[in-house]
Amino acid sequence: GAVVSQHPSWVICKSGTSVKIECRSLDFQATTMFWYRQFPKQSLMLMATSNEGSKATYEQGVEKDKFLINHASLTLSTLTVTSAHPEDSSFYICSASPGLLGTQYFGPGTRLLVL
Amino acid sequence: QQQVKQSPQSLIVQKGGISIINCAYENTAFDYFPWYQQFPGKGPALLIAIRPDVSEKKEGRFTISFNKSAKQFSLHIMDSQPGDSATYFCAASKTSYDKVIFGPGTSLSVIP
Repeated sequence: GAVVSQHPSWVICKSGTSVKIECRSLDFQATTMFWYRQFPKQSLMLMATSNEGSKATYEQGVEKDKFLINHASLTLSTLTVTSAHPEDSSFYICSASPGLLGTQYFGPGTRLLVL
Repeated sequence: QQQVKQSPQSLIVQKGGISIINCAYENTAFDYFPWYQQFPGKGPALLIAIRPDVSEKKEGRFTISFNKSAKQFSLHIMDSQPGDSATYFCAASKTSYDKVIFGPGTSLSVIP
């Protein structure tokens, strides 16, 4: 089956620093990638949709200047949490879709802890 | 406004029993309804999915029932096993490759 990876799986950073999370589709080309955030004991909430080569579309209430998304190629999307604060601590999960060719596949998630 | 509702929030079932999780949606533009299983610290994994033109879909021990007129759908896990203990999310999307709207989740515990 299709595989989506995320790196790193765990990251701890100090408040005020920026953190970059990578999402890769390993065996297919992803025309669209999605970024979700999940707080403990809660559901996944969509943050943004990114299409290769174009600007990401952010969901209402998500700060686009704080969560920078770059979908530079058909196999890689990055999420950068800028000036991270403790309230940004969460589980970030990406998913990738090959578009009309099939369903989307979720990555294993990245746990972010901001101290 | 919660676009996808899910109940119960938690469920305890004995080994061998049937686990039933119910969901409802509002947006009639949704045309794809997947169920995901998530273990602690892991990403969600697609279990089974259905489209509104089908009233029931079965894959192994997992069955989705779909009631289009009521805008409700449910997951039945037959012969539940301790290894099924996880959080289950129903979800909805306009297509299989579009953004997914998740329900709040059901924590399932299957006890021996």
